[in-house]
Amino acid sequence: GAVVSQHPSWVICKSGTSVKIECRSLDFQATTMFWYRQFPKQSLMLMATSNEGSKATYEQGVEKDKFLINHASLTLSTLTVTSAHPEDSSFYICSAPFGETQYFGPGTRLLVL
Amino acid sequence: RKEVEQDPGPFNVPEGATVAFNCTYSNSASQSFFWYRQDCRKEPKLLMSVYSSGNEDGRFTAQLNRASQYISLLIRDSKLSDSATYLCVVKQDGGSQGNLIFGKGTKLSVKP
Repeated sequence: GAVVSQHPSWVICKSGTSVKIECRSLDFQATTMFWYRQFPKQSLMLMATSNEGSKATYEQGVEKDKFLINHASLTLSTLTVTSAHPEDSSFYICSAPFGETQYFGPGTRLLVL
Repeated sequence: RKEVEQDPGPFNVPEGATVAFNCTYSNSASQSFFWYRQDCRKEPKLLMSVYSSGNEDGRFTAQLNRASQYISLLIRDSKLSDSATYLCVVKQDGGSQGNLIFGKGTKLSVKP
């Protein structure tokens, strides 16, 4: 199967700082990548669709100015959580489509103090 | 009504047992269906796709009933390593770019 990496795997930061998360497709190209968020005991919720060479598409209720997405190349998408607050603490997971479905990165656990 | 609904469990079963999970989806235009497995504090991993004709992969059998908008997963001869949360996933658009809709998952715990 396809391999998707994510970095960092976990982050602890102070409230008000910005956190950047990278998502890479290691052995295939992805013109589209997806960013999800999962709170404890909840299902994965799609935040936005990252598109190489164009603007990201955000789901309803997700602030585009707070969650900045840049799809710099066919193998890299970044999510920046700007001015993070404790309520942004969550498990952030990216995925990239390959074949008939999507493959997920290992996720980034963010804790904002 | 939620888009993808699953019984959250937990299902606590002994090793060797057969266990079945069910899932319903609300959008009749859904195109593709999958079961993913998610271990605690890990990312989801594709377990198997689900086809109308039913499909089997070793101890795992998946079934799809489009008329009833119902998906199932059967695990035979449960192993301790099968303990995880099983996510029912529906893709609404055709092609690889479509958005995945996740159920909340059904937790399985296999005991010795």
